[in-house]
Amino acid sequence: AQSVTQPDIHITVSEGASLELRCNYSYGATPYLFWYVQSPGQGLQLLLKYFSGDTLVQGIKGFEAEFKRSQSSFNLRKPSVHWSDAAEYFCAVAEGGGADGLTFGKGTHLIIQP
Amino acid sequence: NAGVTQTPKFQVLKTGQSMTLQCAQDMNHEYMSWYRQDPGMGLRLIHYSVGAGITDQGEVPNGYNVSRSTTEDFPLRLLSAAPSQTSVYFCASSRSGASTDTQYFGPGTRLTVL
Repeated sequence: AQSVTQPDIHITVSEGASLELRCNYSYGATPYLFWYVQSPGQGLQLLLKYFSGDTLVQGIKGFEAEFKRSQSSFNLRKPSVHWSDAAEYFCAVAEGGGADGLTFGKGTHLIIQP
Repeated sequence: NAGVTQTPKFQVLKTGQSMTLQCAQDMNHEYMSWYRQDPGMGLRLIHYSVGAGITDQGEVPNGYNVSRSTTEDFPLRLLSAAPSQTSVYFCASSRSGASTDTQYFGPGTRLTVL
């Protein structure tokens, strides 16, 4: 079965600094990978997704992620964070061709320092 | 479009009570699913449906029932609530199977079982 690991439970970044959130997955075939963001008291919003092709994918709000098969990673990056980026970030994986939902990591809580 | 709507937003139950969490979408999506979110656990799939009349179990189905009589609605029933079901519940929908399409999440229902 697939699994997702987000090694960092909390990350604190100064406003304007760069950000990288780590995600490692375990899956035999080529995974379908996603990053979602959850603002306080809100549902989840898709930031970006990777199915195939270019390993660097661009998302909304200035985020990007890079798929590295050799490292089983799909790290999320942003060159300069804003206070409004403070939220919970979830990495998720889905099985290609399957219909049994997403497997989520436990999430990384991002704190932005002024 | 209202997207994915969930009612109620908050609910407190006593152990043994039953209730139904409502989920509706107006995007004519075939695929709908229910997740629960617990602190430090990420989201876990409870049940999903690939179309009207078709449902299947996810990772944590025990204690929950679902049905899909229409494309728009996917209610989640707790037959006899237990404190272990205290959680935040999210409904999601997508055009087709979860592995290929963007999931759209509702705002969630926060359930407390005393």
